[in-house]
Amino acid sequence: EDKVVQSPLSLVVHEGDTVTLNCSYEVTNFRSLLWYKQEKKAPTFLFMLTSSGIEKKSGRLSSILDKKELFSILNITATQTGDSAVYLCAASSGGSNYKLTFGKGTLLTVNP
Amino acid sequence: NAGVTQTPKFQVLKTGQSMTLQCAQDMNHEYMSWYRQDPGMGLRLIHYSVGAGITDQGEVPNGYNVSRSTTEDFPLRLLSAAPSQTSVYFCASSRTGLYGYTFGSGTRLTVV
Repeated sequence: EDKVVQSPLSLVVHEGDTVTLNCSYEVTNFRSLLWYKQEKKAPTFLFMLTSSGIEKKSGRLSSILDKKELFSILNITATQTGDSAVYLCAASSGGSNYKLTFGKGTLLTVNP
Repeated sequence: NAGVTQTPKFQVLKTGQSMTLQCAQDMNHEYMSWYRQDPGMGLRLIHYSVGAGITDQGEVPNGYNVSRSTTEDFPLRLLSAAPSQTSVYFCASSRTGLYGYTFGSGTRLTVV
């Protein structure tokens, strides 16, 4: 059974802090690891990682994949209240990019 | 472009009723999927499609049917609604899966 585990499940920080969110996966015929941000409604796409050790960056967010140890991390530096959201990790399986298994998410709360 | 459009946004059903959740995308995406999201459970894949005429089951397909007669539309049918199907349903689409999925705004379904 395909499985994606995220930790921590929730996290409360102050503005300006740096946070690291974790995602481990066990899926059949892994293809890619995706990160999404979910605020009130639909998840919005952040990153897609397919190669180990190559960091992807977008502003204050960055992510990296370790295919040997089967995990990924999402870093957010200099957090802002607007970063408060649920961060979802998903792994694609079956040798394709279209069948995703999601983790339960990490609820990040950034206090002013 | 409208992106991924889901209707209705909210629905209340009685146990045993049937209904169809609509999903349409105008991005000419081949891949489309339906997920349900329950508190503490993350997103779980119900059914997915890799093109018109091709569908397959995901993690939690029981009680749901899908069809894909056109590239644009991917309706989800509840055959006989049960309280366990109370959830938020998301439709998502992707061109190739290589750049992640675009999600619709969701349908909140309550079965009483």
